[in-house]
Amino acid sequence: AQSVAQPEDQVNVAEGNPLTVKCTYSVSGNPYLFWYVQYPNRGLQFLLKYITGDNLVKGSYGFEAEFNKSQTSFHLKKPSALVSDSALYFCAVSPVHASGGSYIPTFGRGTSLIVHP
Amino acid sequence: IAGITQAPTSQILAAGRRMTLRCTQDMRHNAMYWYRQDLGLGLRLIHYSNTAGTTGKGEVPDGYSVSRANTDDFPLTLASAVPSQTSVYFCASREQGLMNTEAFFGQGTRLTVV
Repeated sequence: AQSVAQPEDQVNVAEGNPLTVKCTYSVSGNPYLFWYVQYPNRGLQFLLKYITGDNLVKGSYGFEAEFNKSQTSFHLKKPSALVSDSALYFCAVSPVHASGGSYIPTFGRGTSLIVHP
Repeated sequence: IAGITQAPTSQILAAGRRMTLRCTQDMRHNAMYWYRQDLGLGLRLIHYSNTAGTTGKGEVPDGYSVSRANTDDFPLTLASAVPSQTSVYFCASREQGLMNTEAFFGQGTRLTVV
């Protein structure tokens, strides 16, 4: 069974400082990995994904994520945080090969990012 | 309609009543999902459908049913609502044939069962 862990319920960072939101995963075989963002009273929005190739993936709003196969991690990063980045962030994983042809994504519990002015 | 639409956006429902949450997408995605979001628990899968005419149970299916009569619509029904079903419900879709595709989410339905 696949799973995703986001070890921090909340991350606090000052505006202008770099931010990291952590994600580790467990899946049989190779993974597809995703990050989503949720603003208050909204649905989740796609930020970026890792499929294959370069371990550093760049996405929307200046975010990037680094895939580390040996540590089974996919941490979300941004060099300089903005107050407007404050939101709930979800990591998700899908298997590359799934029995029965079902590639249902599994989501982490979410990490609340708070960027202070 | 652009993307994925849920209705209603919010609802207060008396316990024991039947309720259907609607979800419609115009992207011709073959896979659709229903999640509930609860504080501290993240997103939990209720039911899914890989293609029209098929459905499957997720992590928390009890008390819920779904149908997938066509590609665009994926309604979620609570046959007899209970207070523990108070939650925010999200419908999502993705292109199942391409395994590396991201999911698209509706804006959510906030349901309160009293």
